[in-house]
Amino acid sequence: NAGVTQTPKFQVLKTGQSMTLQCAQDMNHEYMSWYRQDPGMGLRLIHYSVGAGITDQGEVPNGYNVSRSTTEDFPLRLLSAAPSQTSVYFCASSYSGQGDGYTFGSGTRLTVV
Amino acid sequence: GENVEQHPSTLSVQEGDSAVIKCTYSDSASNYFPWYKQELGKGPQLIIDIRSNVGEKKDQRIAVTLNKTAKHFSLHITETQPEDSAVYFCAASDPNTGNQFYFGTGTSLTVIP
Repeated sequence: NAGVTQTPKFQVLKTGQSMTLQCAQDMNHEYMSWYRQDPGMGLRLIHYSVGAGITDQGEVPNGYNVSRSTTEDFPLRLLSAAPSQTSVYFCASSYSGQGDGYTFGSGTRLTVV
Repeated sequence: GENVEQHPSTLSVQEGDSAVIKCTYSDSASNYFPWYKQELGKGPQLIIDIRSNVGEKKDQRIAVTLNKTAKHFSLHITETQPEDSAVYFCAASDPNTGNQFYFGTGTSLTVIP
């Protein structure tokens, strides 16, 4: 099925651990992004990419790294998890990012203890 | 950056009634305004969008209006049904890049049968 696939769906980490959230899309979208969703704060942009090899920071990039080696994949890395990174993470993609609506993945619920 | 405010945060309506959700934005240069519906445990789904050169757009029971002078836009759902119950988010495009979106904090809509 075409769309955005995120793995894992749930994850519990201990403070200081690292992990990678996976995101893949099969729609040949150039634009991909990562958001975090926290209660009462809507969706906030962490990092985004306008194409393979190109990434940039969003509104809340600290503590996260990304890379875009292929059009299909856009992993998000937490280098040293902190309780403040407890959140639901969504990956989204669109054809160009220039005024196109996003297709979102189903999310990863991350808890850092 | 852009600031998007959304009201109300919760909304309950009787089945068959109309629901209206309002958003304001701060940067008059924003030119694309999508609306997303998020059902429990799922990622947001684009339901309708409007560009700054249009004042109103309809798609069956949903419509969006845009007032550029006042910098506000609204989502209208008519003849509400229980399956319309969800969280709705408005968003505005970043006027500088078009690659980022700023989201409102969401409206939890409950349609009472």
